[in-house]
Amino acid sequence: TQLLEQSPQFLSIQEGENLTVYCNSSSVFSSLQWYRQEPGEGPVLLVTVVTGGEVKKLKRLTFQFGDARKDSSLHITAAQPGDTGLYLCAGGNNNDMRFGAGTRLTVKP
Amino acid sequence: SAVISQKPSRDICQRGTSLTIQCQVDSQVTMMFWYRQQPGQSLTLIATANQGSEATYESGFVIDKFPISRPNLTFSTLTVSNMSPEDSSIYLCSVEVTLGGEQYFGPGTRLTVT
Repeated sequence: TQLLEQSPQFLSIQEGENLTVYCNSSSVFSSLQWYRQEPGEGPVLLVTVVTGGEVKKLKRLTFQFGDARKDSSLHITAAQPGDTGLYLCAGGNNNDMRFGAGTRLTVKP
Repeated sequence: SAVISQKPSRDICQRGTSLTIQCQVDSQVTMMFWYRQQPGQSLTLIATANQGSEATYESGFVIDKFPISRPNLTFSTLTVSNMSPEDSSIYLCSVEVTLGGEQYFGPGTRLTVT
């Protein structure tokens, strides 16, 4: 059973479009991380959110942690081909971190 | 953060043989983990590598199949024993720099078993 559900599973868009991917759970997390993984590489940490309602921005990426700390979203503005990759969310409690199944994003030029 | 290297980066192995994967970190870390990522899938935690004691395995993974060593705070190995084609996967090590904090990943080892 997947503790963290990510949607959509696959997303293919044109360069310049905006998109949002979601990470949902029935569990409360003390922190939540977003990673991006490109083919042939390990996941790279993008952001950590710890406070309910927290919003963090990383250039064209906006991350939000739900008020109840059960869900999160990642919004990308004006997507570029370099944003292509597998986006993983991971929720942590007391040294126990679990990963979602990921959203595989393709941005076409 | 931490810089993590893994060896080998990829290998093709025969059924029934064993492969040992090394993970080296550029700083001392308390927590090291081993994950498996099957093609097109997310990460599945195999075990936590504990320094000075036996690794802690997740459900579905056993020490006889995936023995792990952690001789110090910067190094760990994972052995995939008696391999079968179902073991073909990417194996990743990760570390926590601060307890309960974010994990940082190595580049992975791509294993193909024929």
